[in-house]
Formats: sequence, C-alpha cells, structure tokens
Amino acid sequence: AQSVTQLDSQVPVFEEAPVELRCNYSSSVSVYLFWYVQYPNQGLQLLLKYLSGSTLVKGINGFEAEFNKSQTSFHLRKPSVHISDTAEYFCAVRANSGNTPLVFGKGTRLSVIA
Amino acid sequence: KAGVTQTPRYLIKTRGQQVTLSCSPISGHRSVSWYQQTPGQGLQFLFEYFSETQRNKGNFPGRFSGRQFSNSRSEMNVSTLELGDSALYLCASSLADSPRSYEQYFGPGTRLTVT
Repeated sequence: AQSVTQLDSQVPVFEEAPVELRCNYSSSVSVYLFWYVQYPNQGLQLLLKYLSGSTLVKGINGFEAEFNKSQTSFHLRKPSVHISDTAEYFCAVRANSGNTPLVFGKGTRLSVIA
Repeated sequence: KAGVTQTPRYLIKTRGQQVTLSCSPISGHRSVSWYQQTPGQGLQFLFEYFSETQRNKGNFPGRFSGRQFSNSRSEMNVSTLELGDSALYLCASSLADSPRSYEQYFGPGTRLTVT
C-alpha cells in the first residue's frame, strides 16, 4: 500500500516570495505522483503529475515539482507566488501498475500575504 | 468537453435519513471514484467504479454504497445518516483503462450537512 505525508499543514508566505510545499511518500512499488490544488468551495484541480522520464515536472500556474526517488519525495515549488495562489494543495500517489486507488496526503494550506 | 458534474451541490438532511448523490463523469471516462473530505480526516477514498463494476473500496461502513450505470454516471448512497457524515463528497472521473491514464478530474463536490 502507498501513503503520503505532507510535512506542513500550513505555509504562510509573502507575495512574490518563493515557496516549497513538501511531500514524502511511502511505497514498496514504483509510483505515479500528483499535485492537486483546491480553491475555496471547489473541487480539486490537477497542477502536475509525474509518470516517468524527467524528474523535474512543470505544471500549470508556474508550479513545478521534482521527483526524488532516493528520498521518496515530490516537493512542489513556485519561484514567485501571487495572492491568487492562496489555496489548499494536495499531494497524491498511486502504484504504477494494477488498479489501486489514488492516496492523498492531508493537504497544505498555502496563504499568500500581501 | 464538459467537466464532471455533481448534483445536488448542497444538501441538508436529518440524522437517520438516507441520501443519494449523483455524479456525471466527463464524456468517455469509464471510471468514477468517490471521496469524502472533512477538516479532520482530509480526503478519504470511498470507492471506485469502472464499467459498472466496483473496482476498489475504501474503509467505510456498509451504510455507504454506490453504483455505476451503463452511461458511466454514478450514484452514491448513504443510509441511516449520522452527524459525522457531514462532509464534502467529491466525485472524480478518469479514463483509467491503463495505469498511465489514471489522471483524475474532480467535480465541484456535494456539501452534505447532517443535523
């Protein structure tokens, strides 16, 4: 089975500053990794995904993440945040074979301060 | 393409009642997954249906059930509602016909309040 740990429940950051949201996973098999964003009163929207290939993945809204297999991490980064990036961010993992469900972390609340 | 739609968006029920929530996936998607989201427990997987068959099930009591129709639309039902069932219920659809096509697209959710 897979599990995900998002190391920070809340991250406050000033506008135009860089941000990193941390995600570690556990799995005995190879995995696919995802980051989703949830704005207030909305469903989840996919930011980016890692399936294979380059370990640096670029997503929407200027976000990127790096897959580090040795450290079992998939941290999300943005070089300069905007007020509109204020939202809940979820890291998710699933095995890359079979039909196992997606497993989500508890989420990180990103608050961008003007 | 139209996105995932969920109805109703908001629902208020009384303890002991039952409720049915509906989800229409993106056209062509055969997999529908359901999640319960609460502030304390986060996102918890309920079940997944693929081509009308339940393919995965989370750790929820039997009061939670679901089904999928031949047009891929899905419903979930909660019987004998408890206060703790108050949550945002999210539906997600995907092609899911191979591990690489498992990217999930979420609907806006149904906010269920049990009083």
